[in-house]
Amino acid sequence: GNSVTQMEGPVTLSEEAFLTINCTYTATGYPSLFWYVQYPGEGLQLLLKATKADDKGSNKGFEATYRKETTSFHLEKGSVQVSDSAVYFCALSSGGGADGLTFGKGTHLIIQP
Amino acid sequence: DAGVTQSPTHLIKTRGQQVTLRCSPKSGHDTVSWYQQALGQGPQFIFQYYEEEERQRGNFPDRFSGHQFPNYSSELNVNALLLGDSALYLCASSVAPGGGNQPQHFGDGTRLSIL
Repeated sequence: GNSVTQMEGPVTLSEEAFLTINCTYTATGYPSLFWYVQYPGEGLQLLLKATKADDKGSNKGFEATYRKETTSFHLEKGSVQVSDSAVYFCALSSGGGADGLTFGKGTHLIIQP
Repeated sequence: DAGVTQSPTHLIKTRGQQVTLRCSPKSGHDTVSWYQQALGQGPQFIFQYYEEEERQRGNFPDRFSGHQFPNYSSELNVNALLLGDSALYLCASSVAPGGGNQPQHFGDGTRLSIL
């Protein structure tokens, strides 16, 4: 079956530092890949997505590239801000995003001023 | 443009009781999915409804059931509640399967506590 593995948190960085959150997956076929973000007390917000190999998703300074050869979808940002503090979830779907999503356990990111 | 709305926000029940959670999808969406998120964990897929029928189901027992109405809104019902059912229940909506690579949009969830 499908599965997603993310690096364990919490990840603590200083403002303006470079961010990488690792995500690898196991899936049959050609899944779509997503990063969602969850702020305290809220639901999940879609951050970015990629639907085929070598696609790069980007939004709000965050980027992730769909690497089929390494089954990875690592999240990066060149300069983080305090407002980026949240829990980040990597997820996949076998149906282009319309099927049930399989999530990783989440990575808690803490940015210190 | 209203997003996904869920009610109630919080709910407290005791073991053995039954609960109904409600969800209204984002305008223009016709597919509703439900997820259970235990504390400190990622969401787990419960099931998905489209055209008033259960289209997909995750690894959850029959105590979890649902319904979708003609206006696309949905209910999640849980019978014989267990302590382990305490979690944040998230509803997500999307365009019908086959409607392109449209992602799911999530509501803020219902926090269910079982005493």
